[in-house]
Amino acid sequence: EADIYQTPRYLVIGTGKKITLECSQTMGHDKMYWYQQDPGMELHLIHYSYGVNSTEKGDLSSESTVSRIRTEHFPLTLESARPSHTSQYLCASSTNRVLAKNIQYFGAGTRLSVL
Amino acid sequence: QKEVEQDPGPLSVPEGAIVSLNCTYSNSAFQYFMWYRQYSRKGPELLMYTYSSGNKEDGRFTAQVDKSSKYISLFIRDSQPSDSATYLCAKQGAQKLVFGQGTRLTINP
Repeated sequence: EADIYQTPRYLVIGTGKKITLECSQTMGHDKMYWYQQDPGMELHLIHYSYGVNSTEKGDLSSESTVSRIRTEHFPLTLESARPSHTSQYLCASSTNRVLAKNIQYFGAGTRLSVL
Repeated sequence: QKEVEQDPGPLSVPEGAIVSLNCTYSNSAFQYFMWYRQYSRKGPELLMYTYSSGNKEDGRFTAQVDKSSKYISLFIRDSQPSDSATYLCAKQGAQKLVFGQGTRLTINP
């Protein structure tokens, strides 16, 4: 079982609010990722990080921002939530070890609803 | 064209049936392929991974890669209602995984 945790699991919030989705892993993984997934749809990579102080934008443009101040922590922030941000957000991590084949371990996700 | 294509289904089969889930890919670089299983309202969990061509078996699950046709398959034998989930194939890219859309599978008792 993967040791990667996301909080909150569910969040219902009003338009214009600032929100931060938390993601922490206890596996010492260097790489971390944020995906966005709508119901029945594919995963879209929105942010990733190769290590502390490293952040990159993913394939899907997102108004969210991320930070990586500590290896185990990769929070995602939306400065002003909008209904279009309603989705499920999944955090994942993987190790840099070559033999690990970039296997990603996922958290349970945060289901965000913006009213 | 998407780098990994997967039929989204839904696919519904009776308990005990053999299930075949398939993906095609378009970029031959990097040779690791993975199958993830995602239950409703949960994150994906790694089911199996394979390297290059050939079969890999783990209990009731068999993963198969055919490099010549760029085809990835997952077979489930003696399917159980607990196998009902969305199955995502993924291919390792240069720095990240590329996922298919996922196939929603239901096993009916």
